[in-house]
Amino acid sequence: GIQVEQSPPDLILQEGANSTLRCNFSDSVNNLQWFHQNPWGQLINLFYIPSGTKQNGRLSATTVATERYSLLYISSSQTTDSGVYFCAVAMDSSYKLIFGSGTRLLVRP
Amino acid sequence: NAGVTQTPKFRILKIGQSMTLQCTQDMNHNYMYWYRQDPGMGLKLIYYSVGAGITDKGEVPNGYNVSRSTTEDFPLRLELAAPSQTSVYFCASTSGTPSTEAFFGQGTRLTVV
Repeated sequence: GIQVEQSPPDLILQEGANSTLRCNFSDSVNNLQWFHQNPWGQLINLFYIPSGTKQNGRLSATTVATERYSLLYISSSQTTDSGVYFCAVAMDSSYKLIFGSGTRLLVRP
Repeated sequence: NAGVTQTPKFRILKIGQSMTLQCTQDMNHNYMYWYRQDPGMGLKLIYYSVGAGITDKGEVPNGYNVSRSTTEDFPLRLELAAPSQTSVYFCASTSGTPSTEAFFGQGTRLTVV
């Protein structure tokens, strides 16, 4: 089956710093989403981005489908950005998402 | 518009007991999914459904059953609970048409003792 690899596995930042999270996938996809899991366990949709670039405030994402990777950019990080960031992809008509293992982010004040 | 609603939020089961995790969505989505998340891990697919009356196994279906009698509801049944089923369970749905995202419920934290 398709493999989804996220890097880095862990990241510690000072508040105000920028960061880039990466997601590599091993096959063509018809869906790619980024999620933030907050410290209470809730999964929050960040981006639906099977290709192209999107921005939402301090966050932006780019997916290069032909090269099978996606990047999530966090600028001017805040302590509320802490949590786990998941990339998930789907590759067939069932649209079932396959998750990476996540990047655990800690933003220190 | 409530989205995807899961009940209960928390539950403790004894080994060998059974229970049903409820999931309902009000977005008229055809596609629904159950995932489990073990501590420090990503989510793994248990079962999914592409429409009422249609279900299929995901990566980790053993010990679980599902049914899909309506578009709105997709309950997950645990028979003979085991400690290995201690996990957080998430239900999700999507319309199944291109260019649409999946939405997740708040999760059910289950402990089997």
